[in-house]
Amino acid sequence: QKEVEQDPGPLSVPEGAIVSLNCTYSNSAFQYFMWYRQYSRKGPELLMYTYSSGNKEDGRFTAQVDKSSKYISLFIRDSQPSDSATYLCAMSAQAGGTSYGKLTFGQGTILTVHP
Amino acid sequence: DVKVTQSSRYLVKRTGEKVFLECVQDMDHENMFWYRQDPGLGLRLIYFSYDVKMKEKGDIPEGYSVSREKKERFSLILESASTNQTSMYLCASSLTGSYEAFFGQGTRLTVV
Repeated sequence: QKEVEQDPGPLSVPEGAIVSLNCTYSNSAFQYFMWYRQYSRKGPELLMYTYSSGNKEDGRFTAQVDKSSKYISLFIRDSQPSDSATYLCAMSAQAGGTSYGKLTFGQGTILTVHP
Repeated sequence: DVKVTQSSRYLVKRTGEKVFLECVQDMDHENMFWYRQDPGLGLRLIYFSYDVKMKEKGDIPEGYSVSREKKERFSLILESASTNQTSMYLCASSLTGSYEAFFGQGTRLTVV
């Protein structure tokens, strides 16, 4: 079993829809949770970052972490065609300071938002 | 603007060849990483380096080696390329204590 599971989709939604992307994980030591966005033929870029449980909002994007269920989500409100990309969840168990920033990634979900 | 640059976007190599993938970052980051990305498998860590000349194996190091002689440069070496190493290779760097990794554009390697 993979440490991080993510439904690869593909997911296709109409413009304006609310999108929900999810990951589950098995390593209870994970404390740092990230969502990366990867456009076609580009490298991934950090979209959202959350420490431990809770919610974080940034514009149309909301990241949720439920450590008790080992489940994280990314919600996109009022989705736009420019949101079409692969979304990757990533997690890390190491604390700051001497952290090497080692990340464990999910498989990535391919999202298409059509006009 | 932060930058991680991979030397090639596309490479085609023959089975058995020794292949070098180069990565350079201009952010003075301590940590550098090599991942491979395959459909349905996501990003998997091959090797990482937390300082010059220091390296540690990731989750799938078999068939690969790395070199970091200067802080800004991290090379991935395929000692004897095989068809199952056909993949997208992504280099990344990060600052110690930060969780934001900055990625290069990727090198799509095809081994024939």
